Amino acid sequence: ELKVEQNPLFLSMQEGKNYTIYCNYSTTSDRLYWYRQDPGKSLESLFVLLSNGAVKQEGRLMASLDTKARLSTLHITAAVHDLSATYFCAVGFNYGGSQGNLIFGKGTKLSVKP
Amino acid sequence: SAVISQKPSRDICQRGTSLTIQCQVDSQVTMMFWYRQQPGQSLTLIATANQGSEATYESGFVIDKFPISRPNLTFSTLTVSNMSPEDSSIYLCSARQGPGAFFGQGTRLTVV
Repeated sequence: ELKVEQNPLFLSMQEGKNYTIYCNYSTTSDRLYWYRQDPGKSLESLFVLLSNGAVKQEGRLMASLDTKARLSTLHITAAVHDLSATYFCAVGFNYGGSQGNLIFGKGTKLSVKP
Repeated sequence: SAVISQKPSRDICQRGTSLTIQCQVDSQVTMMFWYRQQPGQSLTLIATANQGSEATYESGFVIDKFPISRPNLTFSTLTVSNMSPEDSSIYLCSARQGPGAFFGQGTRLTVV
C-alpha cells in the first residue's frame, strides 16, 4: 500500500526557534513535493525534490530528500509568525494507469507564536 | 509554472442537485487531476483526467457520481452529481508540467 506519513501533525513554535517536519513514504518515488496551505486557500508549491541528496532552500525553509531512507525533511530556521500555515508533503508515484498523480501526507499544522 | 484558473471558487448547493467545476490551464498539459479535500483533512485523488479517453478513477470514486470531461489539453470539468451533505469539501484541480505539480484555487462546496 502506498503511504505517506508526515509528522508531527501539529507544531506550535516560538518565534526564532528551529524545527523540522518529517515525511516518510512507503515505496520508490522519483519526486517529492512540499506545499503550503493557508486557511481557506489553495496549495502553494514550495519545493520539488527530484533526486537523492537534493536540498533546496527558500528563505527560512529548507527541504531535503533521502531516497534510500524514503525520507524528506522540511527544516524551519528562526521561525516567524508569517510561516504559520499547514504544510503538506506529497510523493509522486507512477503506477497502473494513473501516472503522475500525488499521494499526500496528512499535513503539519504549524503555529508560530511570538 | 502553469497557472490554473478554477471556478466557481465556492458554492452552496441543495442536496440532490449537481455542480460542475471548471478548470482552465494557461498552457497545454498532458496530465490533469482532480482532488478532494474534506474539512481539516489532506487531499485525496478522485481521478486522472485523460484527454481523448475516459477518466481514470481511484478506489472509492465512480464515474456516475463524479463525471469528468477533458475535451482538450488545457481544460477539464468535474461534476459532483446528486449531491449530499457528505460531498461538502474543497475540490481542487491540478496539472502536471514537467516535474512540477500545480493547483487551482479550489472550489469550496457546501451542500445543504
